[in-house]
Amino acid sequence: GNSVTQMEGPVTLSEEAFLTINCTYTATGYPSLFWYVQYPGEGLQLLLKATKADDKGSNKGFEATYRKETTSFHLEKGSVQVSDSAVYFCALSKGSASKIIFGSGTRLSIRP
Amino acid sequence: DADVTQTPRNRITKTGKRIMLECSQTKGHDRMYWYRQDPGLGLRLIYYSFDVKDINKGEISDGYSVSRQAQAKFSLSLESAIPNQTALYFCATSETRGSGANVLTFGAGSRLTVL
Repeated sequence: GNSVTQMEGPVTLSEEAFLTINCTYTATGYPSLFWYVQYPGEGLQLLLKATKADDKGSNKGFEATYRKETTSFHLEKGSVQVSDSAVYFCALSKGSASKIIFGSGTRLSIRP
Repeated sequence: DADVTQTPRNRITKTGKRIMLECSQTKGHDRMYWYRQDPGLGLRLIYYSFDVKDINKGEISDGYSVSRQAQAKFSLSLESAIPNQTALYFCATSETRGSGANVLTFGAGSRLTVL
């Protein structure tokens, strides 16, 4: 079945460091891929998405590229800020009638 | 006001009690979902509804039931709560088609503790 695997946390970085959070998926065909972010005490919110191979989603300085050949959708940011401290979830869906499947989440902490 | 409102935000109850978590939305979305979040396990789907007359089980529906009272309202019930149902519960909505299909809008969550 469809599944999402993302790197375990917690990830702790200093401010202005480069961030990568790895996400790989298992699915037949061409799922849509998403990154959601959960700030402390809040629900999840969409960060970015990509719907076909080689698409790059971007938002708030974060980027992720849909790589069909490696079944990956890694999240990157060139210079993180303390305000980026949150839990990040990779997710996939396949088809408009499908359920959305989430990875286990990666907690990111940024030191000033 | 929030687009997706969950009540209560926090609840402590005892084993065997009946609990209802309520969700209402102002997004006008047809699709509504209930997820459960546990540390290290991500979000797991409990039930989902694609319209008022459509209710579907998710991956962990045992011990839960739902009611879709209207397009805007979707409630989750635990008929007889047990301690391993202690978790953070999220309601979410999405559009049916177009670029917003499968993009979820979440409520702020309901934290349930079963003693």
